[in-house]
Amino acid sequence: AQKITQTQPGMFVQEKEAVTLDCTYDTSDQSYGLFWYKQPSSGEMIFLIYQGSYDEQNATEGRYSLNFQKARKSANLVISASQLGDSAMYFCAMSGALNDYKLSFGAGTTVTVRA
Amino acid sequence: GAGVSQSPSNKVTEKGKDVELRCDPISGHTALYWYRQSLGQGLEFLIYFQGNSAPDKSGLPSDRFSAERTGGSVSTLTIQRTQQEDSAVYLCASSSGQPTSQPQHFGDGTRLSIL
Repeated sequence: AQKITQTQPGMFVQEKEAVTLDCTYDTSDQSYGLFWYKQPSSGEMIFLIYQGSYDEQNATEGRYSLNFQKARKSANLVISASQLGDSAMYFCAMSGALNDYKLSFGAGTTVTVRA
Repeated sequence: GAGVSQSPSNKVTEKGKDVELRCDPISGHTALYWYRQSLGQGLEFLIYFQGNSAPDKSGLPSDRFSAERTGGSVSTLTIQRTQQEDSAVYLCASSSGQPTSQPQHFGDGTRLSIL
């Protein structure tokens, strides 16, 4: 079975600073994908970034980067230069053959950006 | 629009009634997923459709839940004899290609409240 663990229920970050959201996973799949989603208070789930298990480079998308450490089974999200609009719940998710490609989600981390 | 469309956005109904939730995926996306999110929780997988294959119903919590996808496009999730524990946000997502590498794009969800 696949399991995603996000150990930080909530975090505060000062505007313009960087924040790292932790995500560890457990799987015996060799090929899998890791995703981060943002869910603002309005409720929509917004795809942020993807990392494939065979990708050697860490994924980056604008201010988002994924610190992928395969041996440690971690896929931390780094948000640089935080903005007030970054305040939201962030979910780490995983997809792989063992779970029939369904997304398994972590419990989420709430980020609050302070002015 | 270009995104995943869900209707209704909100539904309030009495315990014991049947409800139908609709999802219109992104055009051309072969995979369609239903998830449930209870207040403050992560997402719980319900059902997965991929092309013309038999759906993966392994996440449906009881036989009161069913879903169909007509013509490989629009999907309807039906909950019969609703119970108060069915109150949640029901999210639909679609994706193209190989699900390990392709992100799922979510609709805005249907907020279901059972009185």
